[in-house]
Amino acid sequence: RKEVEQDPGPFNVPEGATVAFNCTYSNSASQSFFWYRQDCRKEPKLLMSVYSSGNEDGRFTAQLNRASQYISLLIRDSKLSDSATYLCAVNNDMRFGAGTRLTVKP
Amino acid sequence: DAGVIQSPRHEVTEMGQEVTLRCKPISGHDYLFWYRQTMMRGLELLIYFNNNVPIDDSGMPEDRFSAKMPNASFSTLKIQPSEPRDSAVYFCASRPTGDPNIQYFGAGTRLSVL
Repeated sequence: RKEVEQDPGPFNVPEGATVAFNCTYSNSASQSFFWYRQDCRKEPKLLMSVYSSGNEDGRFTAQLNRASQYISLLIRDSKLSDSATYLCAVNNDMRFGAGTRLTVKP
Repeated sequence: DAGVIQSPRHEVTEMGQEVTLRCKPISGHDYLFWYRQTMMRGLELLIYFNNNVPIDDSGMPEDRFSAKMPNASFSTLKIQPSEPRDSAVYFCASRPTGDPNIQYFGAGTRLSVL
């Protein structure tokens, strides 16, 4: 079993929709969690860290569920510019999920 | 700072040839990571260094792959001999010890082995 797993998608949603991604991790001792965004043919860039109590950054909300060992990313009022692949990362040694591809359509 | 610098950006080689990928981390960053990304397997951690010392190389696929970090400002990933299944995008990333939330990736090297 991979250490970090994500639904690869693709998720195709209309503008304005709310979309959520989950990412599960196998190491219960994991302490640090992150969401990255990767545009086509570009490098991953940090979108946001995930804190135990959950955190929000504008239209983006990240949550952690330790009991079920998953993190989630919620995007509200999606924009065309949100189209990208979203990767979760776990721990300081940065194990990544394979990424979830999102396409937002007009 | 120019960020993490990788070279070359693109590499096309023939099966059996040696390939060397290079990375210059951000100055002052103590951690350096090498990743490989493919459609099938996603972004895989190959190896990472802390203060130039390899900490975990469990992701290195096989003996054909080797990585070195001779000093704080330079690392190489070598594949010898290369095979078509090594075709992928190889990313290098660096991070300072004091802040695990900040990891910066280089632009990657797109490797094609024919």
